[in-house]
Amino acid sequence: GQQLNQSPQSMFIQEGEDVSMNCTSSSIFNTWLWYKQEPGEGPVLLIALYKAGELTSNGRLTAQFGITRKDSFLNISASIPSDVGIYFCAGELYSGGGADGLTFGKGTHLIIQP
Amino acid sequence: GAVVSQHPSRVICKSGTSVKIECRSLDFQATTMFWYRQFPKKSLMLMATSNEGSKATYEQGVEKDKFLINHASLTLSTLTVTSAHPEDSSFYICSAREGAGETQYFGPGTRLLVL
Repeated sequence: GQQLNQSPQSMFIQEGEDVSMNCTSSSIFNTWLWYKQEPGEGPVLLIALYKAGELTSNGRLTAQFGITRKDSFLNISASIPSDVGIYFCAGELYSGGGADGLTFGKGTHLIIQP
Repeated sequence: GAVVSQHPSRVICKSGTSVKIECRSLDFQATTMFWYRQFPKKSLMLMATSNEGSKATYEQGVEKDKFLINHASLTLSTLTVTSAHPEDSSFYICSAREGAGETQYFGPGTRLLVL
C-alpha cells in the first residue's frame, strides 16, 4: 500500500520559534490533510489541501500541497506552549469505488520549551 | 459543526469476550465511516471503510470475522471486537464524512484493554 514519510519524527524547540515539518509519498494523492493529536484523543483537522500547488493558512499555520501531488509541508510560526502535540499528515486518494480511507504519516512530536 | 462521538471512551474486558464500540455523527449524516487503529506512539492505520447500508470493506490483514462492522444508519456505525485477546488492546478511532470529497472528522477514540 501507499506509505507516507513524515519528518522530522520529533522537534524540541523554544517558544516563539517557527516550526516546519513535511511529508512525502511514493505515489500521488488527491487531498493532503494535516491533523493534530493530543494524548488520548482523536486527531483534529488543522488544514485541508485539495489542489496541487495550493497554499493555505489557518492562523499561525500554513500548509502547501506540492505540485507533484506527492508531498506537503506544514509550518507553524511563532510557536506557543499549546502547540505541543503530535502532528500527522494524511493523504487521501479517490478511487473509482468512492471514498477511500486516509493514509497517515508516522507523526511529528512537537515539544516546546518555555 | 461536524462532531463525531464514540462510546465508550475506554473499556476493559476479559480475554475471550466481545466488545462493541459505537461511532456517531452528531450533526451531520455520514454516508461513509472509517475505523482506524492506533498503537501507542504509532500512527493511525485504516482498518475498514463502512458505507451506510452495505458491507464494510476491510483493509488487507484485517480479519473481518474478528472486527465486525455495522453501519445501519447515516449517523451510527459500530465496531465489535469478537473474542478479544490481549493483542487487540489498542486505541480505536472512527471518522465520518458526509459524502465523497468531504472532509473526514474524527471521533475522540476508544481505548480498549483486554486482560
